[in-house]
Amino acid sequence: QSLLTQPPSTSGTPGQRVTISCSGSGSNIGSNTVHWYQQLPGTAPKLLIYNNNQRPSGVPDRFSGSKSGASASLAISGFQSEDEADYYCAAWDDSLNGPVFGGGTKLTGL
Amino acid sequence: QVQLQESGPGLVEPSQTLSLTCTVSGGSVTSGGYYWSWIRQRPGKGLEWIGYIFYTGSIYYNPSLTSLFGISLDTSKNQVSLNVDSATAADTAIYYCARSSWKRAWFDPWGQGTLVTVSS
Repeated sequence: QSLLTQPPSTSGTPGQRVTISCSGSGSNIGSNTVHWYQQLPGTAPKLLIYNNNQRPSGVPDRFSGSKSGASASLAISGFQSEDEADYYCAAWDDSLNGPVFGGGTKLTGL
Repeated sequence: QVQLQESGPGLVEPSQTLSLTCTVSGGSVTSGGYYWSWIRQRPGKGLEWIGYIFYTGSIYYNPSLTSLFGISLDTSKNQVSLNVDSATAADTAIYYCARSSWKRAWFDPWGQGTLVTVSS
């Protein structure tokens, strides 16, 4: 059982705003930065958002991240079919003294 | 830019040692203050951080994992290696290497991953 909790699945229609939550605790999200990864089917994960809300070069600006207390969210404004993927949040955990991942959220299109 | 490429045997018999290599190109494993991580993904499951190594030889493992992991660095070949001793079916997974940093869950870039099946 992961220290970071994500919904197992969610869905979206083209153009819709989609959000994915990531709930942790004071030892991880509450005191460290959150990072998000996108894993397209059959491929390796890719860094999508780092340091809570920063986008690496090349990531579309429809992806955004936020953090409040011990929770974080990933938002996709204007869902596109190419966004169908698994999404993982991650944060350093001070108790484990290592990084932890959320269980992942599978985003599908309707 | 930095690229990572994993390689491994594909199939390992139970109780044998599983050995994987990650070759880093476009940059040195000794520069930039980066750590080099191994992450696994069991079939149909999520991501698990196994551990990472710094070029000075400092190594950190995930204390919540029970497999017998060993991470090492060959700076002359610009490679990072992972051994899993006494492999079991539970070690069947895609293994990824990734560049990371100290005390952050930041991994970028990732290798394409290598699937290892533990079976007789």
